[in-house]
Amino acid sequence: GAVVSQHPSWVICKSGTSVKIECRSLDFQATTMFWYRQFPKQSLMLMATSNEGSKATYEQGVEKDKFLINHASLTLSTLTVTSAHPEDSSFYICSVPTGNTEAFFGQGTRLTVV
Amino acid sequence: GQNIDQPTEMTATEGAIVQINCTYQTSGFNGLFWYQQHAGEAPTFLSYNVLDGLEEKGRFSSFLSRSKGYSYLLLKELQMKDSASYLCAVTDSNYQLIWGAGTKLIIKP
Repeated sequence: GAVVSQHPSWVICKSGTSVKIECRSLDFQATTMFWYRQFPKQSLMLMATSNEGSKATYEQGVEKDKFLINHASLTLSTLTVTSAHPEDSSFYICSVPTGNTEAFFGQGTRLTVV
Repeated sequence: GQNIDQPTEMTATEGAIVQINCTYQTSGFNGLFWYQQHAGEAPTFLSYNVLDGLEEKGRFSSFLSRSKGYSYLLLKELQMKDSASYLCAVTDSNYQLIWGAGTKLIIKP
């Protein structure tokens, strides 16, 4: 299966700063990647679908100007949380779908905004 | 609307068997997944069912009934490391994954 590497694993930042999270598909050419957010004791919530070479598709209620997604190559998608606030503290996970049978997940990024 | 229901929490004893149920109502169906997620970690794939019946993989088995919109994950010979959340997810007609809230499984010695 696909190997997905997500970096960093955890990050603490000050309120108002921006944080970039990288998601790399190491052995699979990913035209699509998914970005999820998961609050404590809650399920995964799809934020956006990252599309290689084109604009990301955001889910309803997700601010595209706040959560900037760039998918410039078949192996890398980045999520930038701009002007982060404490309520943005969450677990962010990317996944790479490999057809309709399975999606492989990155390790996740624990973001804490202080 | 689209909905996935599974129990919030279950408790079982080490060495025993536990069944985690999942019911779904979605716009179309293109497969059902079970994932295991330990606290603070990303989910890991357990099973995939697209046809009715039972799929067995070691200590874990997954069952699907499409007519009933129902699935279960069966865990045998429970081990302490099986303590985790178990997520049920369904792929709808647009191949979008719809996630359940997860079932927290607590294993007691």
